[in-house]
Amino acid sequence: DIVMTQSPDSLAVSLGERATINCQSSQSVLYSPSNKNYLAWYQQKPGQPPKLLIYWASTRDFGVPDRFSGSGSGTEFTLTIDSLQAEDVAVYYCQQYYSTPCSFGQGTKLEIK
Amino acid sequence: EVQLLESGGGLVQPGGSLRLSCVGSGFTSGNYAFTNYAMTWVRQAPGRGLEWVSIISGSGADTAYADSVKGRFIISRENSRNTVHLRMDSLRAEDTALYYCAKRSLHSGALDVWGQGTMVTVSS
Repeated sequence: DIVMTQSPDSLAVSLGERATINCQSSQSVLYSPSNKNYLAWYQQKPGQPPKLLIYWASTRDFGVPDRFSGSGSGTEFTLTIDSLQAEDVAVYYCQQYYSTPCSFGQGTKLEIK
Repeated sequence: EVQLLESGGGLVQPGGSLRLSCVGSGFTSGNYAFTNYAMTWVRQAPGRGLEWVSIISGSGADTAYADSVKGRFIISRENSRNTVHLRMDSLRAEDTALYYCAKRSLHSGALDVWGQGTMVTVSS
């Protein structure tokens, strides 16, 4: 099974600054035939279900602001939030969907400093 | 707009059973019919992170489970009713969680539509 590990567990960033969240997979999630990483990022605000932000490691889902970006390949991935807004306070999760069980990272709680 | 609505949660004693259901709406016909989409259950224990539980293919022929539920939970679907089920047996305290149903995107494979969840509490 693939284990997903996020860092840090929590993060406090000032409004307007950049937030960076890392995600590491225990095995590569790069699907060679398509050259796509089967890695997604989700945002979960209190009392709400998760919301898909990014898939294929770097493609924003419809309607996701462009201050959210994803990068990385293989086993190392990063979610970057530029110019942090108050509404970005949430827990962020990475997930691999390369193989079952489609494991999640433990989550990173993002707060305003 | 595709929406998912879970039901069937509640309070159950350890060793008991429950069946969760998830009904999808807003699916059209042809390539965008419910039967084309793999469906997933994800759970979240109170104050904890997300845990992937199970997945079923669009036809229902293929399923997979987390090790923590294998042999106790069964996922199934009724495509004629746009519904996916999760039968949960031999429930334990550690199964207490909010159970989400989520649709797997045909395009990317990520979970692009989520329900609001149904709460399962296992306690005596």
